[in-house]
Amino acid sequence: GQNIDQPTEMTATEGAIVQINCTYQTSGFNGLFWYQQHAGEAPTFLSYNVLDGLEEKGRFSSFLSRSKGYSYLLLKELQMKDSASYLCAPGRDDKIIFGKGTRLHILP
Amino acid sequence: GAGVSQSPRYKVAKRGQDVALRCDPISGHVSLFWYQQALGQGPEFLTYFQNEAQLDKSGLPSDRFFAERPEGSVSTLKIQRTQQEDSAVYLCASSFPSPPAQYFGPGTRLTVL
Repeated sequence: GQNIDQPTEMTATEGAIVQINCTYQTSGFNGLFWYQQHAGEAPTFLSYNVLDGLEEKGRFSSFLSRSKGYSYLLLKELQMKDSASYLCAPGRDDKIIFGKGTRLHILP
Repeated sequence: GAGVSQSPRYKVAKRGQDVALRCDPISGHVSLFWYQQALGQGPEFLTYFQNEAQLDKSGLPSDRFFAERPEGSVSTLKIQRTQQEDSAVYLCASSFPSPPAQYFGPGTRLTVL
């Protein structure tokens, strides 16, 4: 089976840094995806971690600890356009299992 | 275009009608996935193809749901005798086998009255 746990909602200020944590339990785990989804739009791919450690991509970084079943997404220099849901999604065999996501609100 | 396309974008059906939703994946992508997304939830896996072979249909909620990809490119998700609980956004995604990141189409919003 699978279980994905991330905060339902978070609020941060424009220009600040925010970290969205995710814990997961899934069989057949082969990597951890993060997707961004704006309201009324399709999810867009942000990052994929296979190995433990931090991967940085511009303002966004993603961290994975396979032994702890833990990941986080770090967003720096927040912009208003970063207001969206962020979906933690473990890969299982050939599939991706999506959590309910964290709705991030950015305040000016 | 270069991305995944889906049609129609919006569909309203009366309860009991059959509907067909189409997905055009990114050219060259081997794998194609269908998801159902209810409001406030993450996408729920329905079924998955590798080329024309349907490798996993464990997420299809009932035998009223049927998907095909006969030539390994375009896919159709068919829902027979629609029910109100079928109202949702249906997302299609495609990917190479490696890297396995999936790229989503804009979705079809189905409303069953």
